[in-house]
Amino acid sequence: AQSVAQPEDQVNVAEGNPLTVKCTYSVSGNPYLFWYVQYPNRGLQFLLKYITGDNLVKGSYGFEAEFNKSQTSFHLKKPSALVSDSALYFCAVRDTSGRALTFGSGTRLQVQP
Amino acid sequence: EAQVTQNPRYLITVTGKKLTVTCSQNMNHEYMSWYRQDPGLGLRQIYYSMNVEVTDKGDVPEGYKVSRKEKRNFPLILESPSPNQTSLYFCASMDPSYEQYFGPGTRLTVT
Repeated sequence: AQSVAQPEDQVNVAEGNPLTVKCTYSVSGNPYLFWYVQYPNRGLQFLLKYITGDNLVKGSYGFEAEFNKSQTSFHLKKPSALVSDSALYFCAVRDTSGRALTFGSGTRLQVQP
Repeated sequence: EAQVTQNPRYLITVTGKKLTVTCSQNMNHEYMSWYRQDPGLGLRQIYYSMNVEVTDKGDVPEGYKVSRKEKRNFPLILESPSPNQTSLYFCASMDPSYEQYFGPGTRLTVT
């Protein structure tokens, strides 16, 4: 069975500093990996995905993520955090059958002014 | 505007009273799915549908039913709700590039 781990319940960072939100996964075959963001009282919004190709993926709002096959990780990064980035972030993995999508437990990002 | 809609947005009901949460998408997506979100557990997939009349269980299907009679609609049915089904529910549809579009959510309370 596939799984996703987000080891940090919360990440705190000062505005202007770089941020990293960690994600590791377990899946049979080649993974399809995703990051979604949830703002308060809103549904989830797509940020970026890795399907194949370049290990560094760029997405919305200046976010990027690096796929590392040997470490089975897909960490979310941003060079300079904004207060408006404060939200709940979810990593997800889909197996190559394309059927089931498994989410991590979420990491709350708090950016202090 | 491309969107996924859910109704109702908020629902308080009593144990055992059948309810249906509707979900509709206007993007002609074949794949649709239902999730529940609980604190500390993230989102867990309840059911998904690859196309009309094709549905399959996700990770937590017990106590739920779905149907997919037409491409745009994917209702979630709780035939006998229980308090442990109190949760925030999201419907989503997926485009061919695997990007999912989520509805605004339905907050369900079962007393």
